[in-house]
Amino acid sequence: DGGITQSPKYLFRKEGQNVTLSCEQNLNHDAMYWYRQDPGQGLRLIYYSQIVNDFQKGDIAEGYSVSREKKESFPLTVTSAQKNPTAFYLCASTRQGGEKLFFGSGTQLSVL
Amino acid sequence: KQEVTQIPAALSVPEGENLVLNCSFTDSAIYNLQWFRQDPGKGLTSLLLIQSSQREQTSGRLNASLDKSSGRSTLYIAASQPGDSATYLCAVRRGAGNNRKLIWGLGTSLAVNP
Repeated sequence: DGGITQSPKYLFRKEGQNVTLSCEQNLNHDAMYWYRQDPGQGLRLIYYSQIVNDFQKGDIAEGYSVSREKKESFPLTVTSAQKNPTAFYLCASTRQGGEKLFFGSGTQLSVL
Repeated sequence: KQEVTQIPAALSVPEGENLVLNCSFTDSAIYNLQWFRQDPGKGLTSLLLIQSSQREQTSGRLNASLDKSSGRSTLYIAASQPGDSATYLCAVRRGAGNNRKLIWGLGTSLAVNP
């Protein structure tokens, strides 16, 4: 079955550490997105990519970085510059020109 | 500035009841509106997408309506079941050509009691 796989499900970050969240899709979708979800706030867009080797900042990109070397993969790195990283991170994708978002199952990131 | 509001924040109903979830938006110039379902600790699943030119969409026991002039969408769930328990979110797309322009509501947490 096609879908989006996020790993790990739970991740803990120590002070000053960079951590990377994985997102892989086998839907052959061109566009991929990273969202952050915090209690009491709507989903916020971190980064998005419409095509391989290209990506754009979303609304809250500071302290995060991404790469898009393969169509199937869009990893998100939470750097030490992100001072409040505790949140639920969601990866999503759409086909080219499509509007229906497909989501992964999420990664819960916490600070030790 | 577009704002999306979902009221109530939480709802508890007995099994079998028909129910309506509400989504309001402040700017009627929308491209489309989507309803999603999120189970605790999981990702979102798209339920229904209504284009700005449409009035409603149906999928099984779900019916979503859109009234742009009043800035409102409703999600109607018929004959609710315990398996419908989840958080339901709506998101408004502001323009064409770029999915990043989604404005999200905070969701309504629904509990259907056996």
